[in-house]
Amino acid sequence: QKEVEQDPGPLSVPEGAIVSLNCTYSNSAFQYFMWYRQYSRKGPELLMYTYSSGNKEDGRFTAQVDKSSKYISLFIRDSQPSDSATYLCAMSEGAGNMLTFGGGTRLMVKP
Amino acid sequence: DAGVTQSPTHLIKTRGQQVTLRCSPKSGHDTVSWYQQALGQGPQFIFQYYEEEERQRGNFPDRFSGHQFPNYSSELNVNALLLGDSALYLCASSLVASGSYTDTQYFGPGTRLTVL
Repeated sequence: QKEVEQDPGPLSVPEGAIVSLNCTYSNSAFQYFMWYRQYSRKGPELLMYTYSSGNKEDGRFTAQVDKSSKYISLFIRDSQPSDSATYLCAMSEGAGNMLTFGGGTRLMVKP
Repeated sequence: DAGVTQSPTHLIKTRGQQVTLRCSPKSGHDTVSWYQQALGQGPQFIFQYYEEEERQRGNFPDRFSGHQFPNYSSELNVNALLLGDSALYLCASSLVASGSYTDTQYFGPGTRLTVL
């Protein structure tokens, strides 16, 4: 069993839909949780960064962390075709420590 | 503010050869991490360098080695290349010394290595 599990998709939604992306993990020592967006053949781009449990909102993006369930989510409101990419969740035990990634979910937003 | 830069962009090598990839961290960052991303998978941690020393290492063989220079830039070396080493190699930089929880890792565009 992988340390971080993520549904690979692809997830196809119409433009304007609310998108929900999720990851589960097994290591209770993870304290820092991140979501990265990666376009084809590019490096990952940091979207959201959360410490411990709780919610964080940034524009159309909301990240949620539930440490008791070992479950994190990323919500995208009013999705746009430009949001079409692979979304990677990542976690670490300490700030700046090695990141453990999920396998990524491929999202396609259709006009 | 310059982000993380990597060179070269693409590289083609044959089995058994050696390769060196280079990374310059984001301005103000002092730590460099390297990741390997196979096609269709998430990045896998190779190792991290801080103060010119290897600070953490993932589950990669000794064929993978690295170096950090006084200006915080870094190199990744892979010896005796195998077909399975074909991947996107990502460099990420961060600032460990600050101790702030807002610090995380920012990635460069990657070097795509193809081993024939």
